[in-house]
Amino acid sequence: AQSVTQLDSHVSVSEGTPVLLRCNYSSSYSPSLFWYVQHPNKGLQLLLKYTSAATLVKGINGFEAEFKKSETSFHLTKPSAHMSDAAEYFCVVSGSDKLIFGTGTRLQVFP
Amino acid sequence: IAGITQAPTSQILAAGRRMTLRCTQDMRHNAMYWYRQDLGLGLRLIHYSNTAGTTGKGEVPDGYSVSRANTDDFPLTLASAVPSQTSVYFCASSRLAGGGINEQFFGPGTRLTVL
Repeated sequence: AQSVTQLDSHVSVSEGTPVLLRCNYSSSYSPSLFWYVQHPNKGLQLLLKYTSAATLVKGINGFEAEFKKSETSFHLTKPSAHMSDAAEYFCVVSGSDKLIFGTGTRLQVFP
Repeated sequence: IAGITQAPTSQILAAGRRMTLRCTQDMRHNAMYWYRQDLGLGLRLIHYSNTAGTTGKGEVPDGYSVSRANTDDFPLTLASAVPSQTSVYFCASSRLAGGGINEQFFGPGTRLTVL
């Protein structure tokens, strides 16, 4: 069975500093993994996805994630946070017939 | 603009009332999904449809029903609303059914309050 764990429910950073949102997954086979972002009162938007082509995946708005099989992790990073990055972020693993969502990490960015 | 639309944007509903949340996509996607989002629980799948004419139960289907008469529309009905159904509801679609690499596209959501 597939599952995903987001290790932090809240992350706070200052504008211009790096962002790290942590995600661990469990899968009985090689998974597809996604990061989605949800801005306040909006739907979810795909940031990036891993589909086994390359372990370092680049997404929109300067975000990237690295698939590490040995650590069963898929952490999301950005070198320099912007105020507009404040949002909820969801790590998602693809099951055999559906997506399985983490519980989300709320990112706050302070000026 | 291509995408998914949901209606209404928000609704306050008396317990016991019937309510249908509407969802329409214009991307000709085969699969559609309904999720509810609750604080601390992430998104939970209510019902899904892999193709027009078929539907299936997700993780939390009780109290909800769906239909898929055509490719574009996937309404969600609460036959007799209860306060525990207070939530934000998201409709989503994907080009193909199933998991794997099929990313899902989400609508803007419907905020439902049942009193």
